[in-house]
Amino acid sequence: DAKTTQPPSMDCAEGRAANLPCNHSTISGNEYVYWYRQIHSQGPQYIIHGLKNNETNEMASLIITEDRKSSTLILPHATLRDTAVYYCIVRVEYGGSQGNLIFGKGTKLSVKP
Amino acid sequence: GAGVSQSPRYKVAKRGQDVALRCDPISGHVSLFWYQQALGQGPEFLTYFQNEAQLDKSGLPSDRFFAERPEGSVSTLKIQRTQQEDSAVYLCASSPGGFRGYTFGSGTRLTVV
Repeated sequence: DAKTTQPPSMDCAEGRAANLPCNHSTISGNEYVYWYRQIHSQGPQYIIHGLKNNETNEMASLIITEDRKSSTLILPHATLRDTAVYYCIVRVEYGGSQGNLIFGKGTKLSVKP
Repeated sequence: GAGVSQSPRYKVAKRGQDVALRCDPISGHVSLFWYQQALGQGPEFLTYFQNEAQLDKSGLPSDRFFAERPEGSVSTLKIQRTQQEDSAVYLCASSPGGFRGYTFGSGTRLTVV
């Protein structure tokens, strides 16, 4: 079973920030928080990951609470192309099949004009 | 190639037929994963290869499922005597190793009729 809990769906207006929450209350000390997204008819795409510090890259920002029990993925200026299912995953950083990704059902983000 | 290539893109099989799904990973990628994604669900792990060695096949749902990667590059997922419950998208992902290097293919959509 997935170790994360996400809302099944969210809407966001184009150009606004999309804030996608994720709960991972049983996360272990050596587990990272990863975010992937899956656009219709494509395979999942890596977005960002982090351990305990906030992270930012060209796609998004990741905010992890101090107790690490929850996180938020932020898309600062959502576009229609950001419409996808977003998956929050916790896993060890390395480790062969231990690094296997356990997907839940994710959050379906719909960006509307 | 530039990405993970999977073929065929779509496959329709009659119940009881054997099928073979191919994955061409990114050249030089050591790790290769197969996932199964049912409609409306997140991908589920099937099996993992490190080079030609199949290190984890715990996710294969039955002994009708078989995967191989004989030369440590191309991989084939074979399903014998297909059943309707095998209908799904089969995703392949490869990685050079490490945390973020998972690149997914677009998948093969298998429909068993």
